[in-house]
Amino acid sequence: AQKITQTQPGMFVQEKEAVTLDCTYDTSDQSYGLFWYKQPSSGEMIFLIYQGSYDEQNATEGRYSLNFQKARKSANLVISASQLGDSAMYFCAMRDPNFGNEKLTFGTGTRLTIIP
Amino acid sequence: NAGVTQTPKFRVLKTGQSMTLLCAQDMNHEYMYWYRQDPGMGLRLIHYSVGEGTTAKGEVPDGYNVSRLKKQNFLLGLESAAPSQTSVYFCASSYQEYNEQFFGPGTRLTVL
Repeated sequence: AQKITQTQPGMFVQEKEAVTLDCTYDTSDQSYGLFWYKQPSSGEMIFLIYQGSYDEQNATEGRYSLNFQKARKSANLVISASQLGDSAMYFCAMRDPNFGNEKLTFGTGTRLTIIP
Repeated sequence: NAGVTQTPKFRVLKTGQSMTLLCAQDMNHEYMYWYRQDPGMGLRLIHYSVGEGTTAKGEVPDGYNVSRLKKQNFLLGLESAAPSQTSVYFCASSYQEYNEQFFGPGTRLTVL
C-alpha cells in the first residue's frame, strides 16, 4: 500500500533561517506525483509545490523548493529565509496511480513554528 | 473568483440526525473531492467525482453519501450521524486528476 511518512511532528526554527521538512514515500509504481500543502491556523489547505516522478529538475516555487531524491524515495520541502507567516502545519501528499490518480494520500504533517 | 467554498463552516449534530454539506467551485474544474481531517492524521478521502453526474468511493466512504448534479457543486450527506464522524471536512477540486487540488476552508462538524 502507498504510504507517506513525515517523521517530524514539530519543528522550531529561527526567523530568516532555512528549514527542511522531511517526507518519505513508498510506492511500487514508477509514475507518481508528490505535493506539499500548508495549513495555517486558520485551517485552509494551501498548495505549495508539485514534483512529478519523471521530472528531472527539482521543483521550485519562490522560497519553496523540493529536494527530490527518487532512489531514496524522499521529497523534502525546503523553505529558504523563513518568515513568521510560515508558521503552520505542512503536509506531504502523493498521487499514486496504483490507487487511482484521483486519490491523494497525505502524511500526518509537521507543525512548523518560526521563532522571531 | 471565490475558488472553493463550503457551507456551513460549523455544525453541531446529535447522534442520528442527518445533514448535507455543500461544496461549490467556480473554476470549472472537472474533479471534486471530499476529505476528512482528524487530529494527528492527514486528510483521508471520503468520496470523489470525476465529472457531473459521477461519484466514486474513496478511502473512508462508510456512513456518507454524495451527489454531483451540477458540475460546480458537490454535496456530502450524512444520513445518520455518529460521534465517530466528528471531524473537519474539506472539499477540494482540480482541473484534471494530475493537477493540484484546491481546497475549501473546511467545515467543523461535531456529533454529540
